[in-house]
Amino acid sequence: EADIYQTPRYLVIGTGKKITLECSQTMGHDKMYWYQQDPGMELHLIHYSYGVNSTEKGDLSSESTVSRIRTEHFPLTLESARPSHTSQYLCASSRAGGDYTFGSGTRLTVV
Amino acid sequence: SQQGEEDPQALSIQEGENATMNCSYKTSINNLQWYRQNSGRGLVHLILIRSNEREKHSGRLRVTLDTSKKSSSLLITASRAADTASYFCAPEPGHGNNRLAFGKGNQVVVIP
Repeated sequence: EADIYQTPRYLVIGTGKKITLECSQTMGHDKMYWYQQDPGMELHLIHYSYGVNSTEKGDLSSESTVSRIRTEHFPLTLESARPSHTSQYLCASSRAGGDYTFGSGTRLTVV
Repeated sequence: SQQGEEDPQALSIQEGENATMNCSYKTSINNLQWYRQNSGRGLVHLILIRSNEREKHSGRLRVTLDTSKKSSSLLITASRAADTASYFCAPEPGHGNNRLAFGKGNQVVVIP
């Protein structure tokens, strides 16, 4: 049973549109993460947060932004989508020293 | 790199056979974790082994850790078609940011 939820599951959107990918968790985890993954490829960390009002950029540069106003919610926003943003976006959460719980992902296609 | 590096990157076996995957890393670690990903889905945590542990079991899974060689292995015994997935190792560094560093993954195909 998933305790971390990502919506939408699939999104096809035109170039230049603003989009927000939602991620919510009900486990009270302080740490949350966004990864970008192309099919069959490795995960790239693009953003992470260690608590409310704390956000940091990850290892892979991304034009997206994130916010963490509530513990359970960690949305990712693209102000102006481009075809190069086409990818799968995975959200995860964890406690310190523990395992990560992943959402099912959002597969984004920008046309 | 702090990433785990899996070997082999692709493995194809018959149902009922055992599947072994290896992972190497370069820094000291607090723990090392293995995850599984079915095509197009999120990762699912399989097992966590701490740096002071050498072996851990969970059902048909057996994980070993050799910190002197900075390597780990994941063994799936009596594989099933449903085990077809990508398997990632993720060391948690013992210093710095403590974030998991996922490798490229092992793609395992179990043929019925």
